[in-house]
Amino acid sequence: QVQLVESGGGVVQPGRSLTLSCATSGFTFSNYGLHWVRQAPGKGLEWVAFIGYNEGNQYHADSVKGRFTISRDNSKQTLYLRMDYVRVEDTAVYYCTREEVGMDVWGRGTTVTVSS
Amino acid sequence: SYVLTQPPSVSVAPGETARITCGGNNIGSKSVRWYQQRPGQAPVLVIYYDTDRASGIPERFSGSNSGNTATLTISGVAAGDEADYFCQVWDTSSDHFVFGPGTTVSVL
Repeated sequence: QVQLVESGGGVVQPGRSLTLSCATSGFTFSNYGLHWVRQAPGKGLEWVAFIGYNEGNQYHADSVKGRFTISRDNSKQTLYLRMDYVRVEDTAVYYCTREEVGMDVWGRGTTVTVSS
Repeated sequence: SYVLTQPPSVSVAPGETARITCGGNNIGSKSVRWYQQRPGQAPVLVIYYDTDRASGIPERFSGSNSGNTATLTISGVAAGDEADYFCQVWDTSSDHFVFGPGTTVSVL
């Protein structure tokens, strides 16, 4: 079945870097766009970034633009989120999700805590 | 940037109808999606293209979109429908995906 599994979360100090991964299976990875969506503790959903099926289109939320970079490796069926210069306000559960007519498949998320 | 508004909470008795609104400037010209998120779980796509139910979603869930308001309607509400519901659109002017703040549905 279709699966998205995030990894790479943890505790990181402000100003440092972290890379999240999302391993996928059960579908033709190269045919789909993918997102990162985050949810701060007790808060709503916040879209972070999107990458098109062929990497041609990449969009980032204003709150992370210039600090975070979405990328993908179609040969490994894996999505990435490089997070540089992290801030306390980046603390959240980070979900990867597949884009079809909506965000139709979600992973369980990986938790990032930014703290000194 | 494009802003979506939702009521923080909606309460409804079992078997009744819950209506969750999503407001935005001329949102009727956009394609709206709705997501359900139960406590401790990842979100689930409920509605796409304003009115189409995602796979596995009961017919009790329906959507509409016109003018400045989109609406998710849950008919015959059951205890299992207690969750947070988020609307979402693609804003072409900014190339950003936007979520509403979410509405908590409580079944009395």
